[in-house]
Amino acid sequence: DTGVSQDPRHKITKRGQNVTFRCDPISEHNRLYWYRQTLGQGPEFLTYFQNEAQLEKSRLLSDRFSAERPKGSFSTLEIQRTEQGDSAMYLCASSLGGVITEAFFGQGTRLTVV
Amino acid sequence: AQSVTQLDSQVPVFEEAPVELRCNYSSSVSVYLFWYVQYPNQGLQLLLKYLSGSTLVESINGFEAEFNKSQTSFHLRKPSVHISDTAEYFCAVSPAGNMLTFGGGTRLMVKP
Repeated sequence: DTGVSQDPRHKITKRGQNVTFRCDPISEHNRLYWYRQTLGQGPEFLTYFQNEAQLEKSRLLSDRFSAERPKGSFSTLEIQRTEQGDSAMYLCASSLGGVITEAFFGQGTRLTVV
Repeated sequence: AQSVTQLDSQVPVFEEAPVELRCNYSSSVSVYLFWYVQYPNQGLQLLLKYLSGSTLVESINGFEAEFNKSQTSFHLRKPSVHISDTAEYFCAVSPAGNMLTFGGGTRLMVKP
């Protein structure tokens, strides 16, 4: 297994367009997390899944943000009607279930809204 | 809610010198503590973690961090840094080991 994979690595979009990012976790990991990282800041938690169940989504930044993990494997993060303030690095991480397990991060998708 | 403060955004240091990266946190509940490292063009990697037990934890590459409950700190130290330690370091906390709250990061710049 090559780790957590995110696609695309870079995305440039025009303001108002919708974008979707994909995350493929490590295959045996049942937890999957999305974070956002803006320049000069640490990652900010957005949402997470245990298998296909989205257990926390109150931190999603607005109703323009949504995430799915339909079969408990890969996940998608969609941003509708993008704004310039959405420009950031979007990080995905995965981990095994259990009380304390290490989260493995992907390299991220860098979004630029012009 | 939790918050993490990394007091230094950048720390320049000469090779083979000691270094300390500071981390303070605030939380109304007990938390687990982590340090992650991000090398250039790579994803975040776990460096070390404090879950319970001994307050001094060590990584395989010579870093150590000490949990100080009274000062709500988890500072990262290394007695002698190498050029290869140049990276961004993030302190993070979690009440249950799942959702991480990160600090703003400290860029460690090791100079020859």
